[in-house]
Amino acid sequence: EPEVTQTPSHQVTQMGQEVILRCVPISNHLYFYWYRQILGQKVEFLVSFYNNEISEKSEIFDDQFSVERPDGSNFTLKIRSTKLEDSAMYFCATLSGLALGETQYFGPGTRLLVL
Amino acid sequence: ELKVEQNPLFLSMQEGKNYTIYCNYSTTSDRLYWYRQDPGKSLESLFVLLSNGAVKQEGRLMASLDTKARLSTLHITAAVHDLSATYFCAVDSTQGTGNQFYFGTGTSLTVIP
Repeated sequence: EPEVTQTPSHQVTQMGQEVILRCVPISNHLYFYWYRQILGQKVEFLVSFYNNEISEKSEIFDDQFSVERPDGSNFTLKIRSTKLEDSAMYFCATLSGLALGETQYFGPGTRLLVL
Repeated sequence: ELKVEQNPLFLSMQEGKNYTIYCNYSTTSDRLYWYRQDPGKSLESLFVLLSNGAVKQEGRLMASLDTKARLSTLHITAAVHDLSATYFCAVDSTQGTGNQFYFGTGTSLTVIP
């Protein structure tokens, strides 16, 4: 069964450093998303991406965040200058389309720890 | 901002019992999703509910949607230990454009033998 993959699985970084989280979507999927989940809390929407541009972004997705699909396969989330409160699990999700019954497929996540 | 609230937040139930998890949301939406998350794992899709009155069942889980009441339920029948997990509902807030999904607060379910 096709799956979404994410790398790295874990990342530890110092406050102020840049991190890039990578996602490989399912190959024929068109809609891409990043979410974060602080330990024990709910899943929070960060950004959606369609047709090579951002569709929607949440209040969390400020100027420190950016997304791109540099080579037509990887979908990346960059945090330019990490803060302690960026420590969370980051999930990539993809969606093939908006036909009836379609649902998002989530990757395994990247656990980010900012020290 | 759209609010999606679930209750209860924590649920401990004995094997063999029935219970219902509720998901209320604050804006019009005709797409509602249920996911399961095991500890330390990713989210697994359970159900997609697309219209008022939609009901879907898989094993011991049944989900329903009432768009007029802005309410979805996840009913657990004769719970077994394997159902222990956190369950999230999610709403597409952008009228089916797929651009933004809001997740509920989650219900942590523990099934006790």
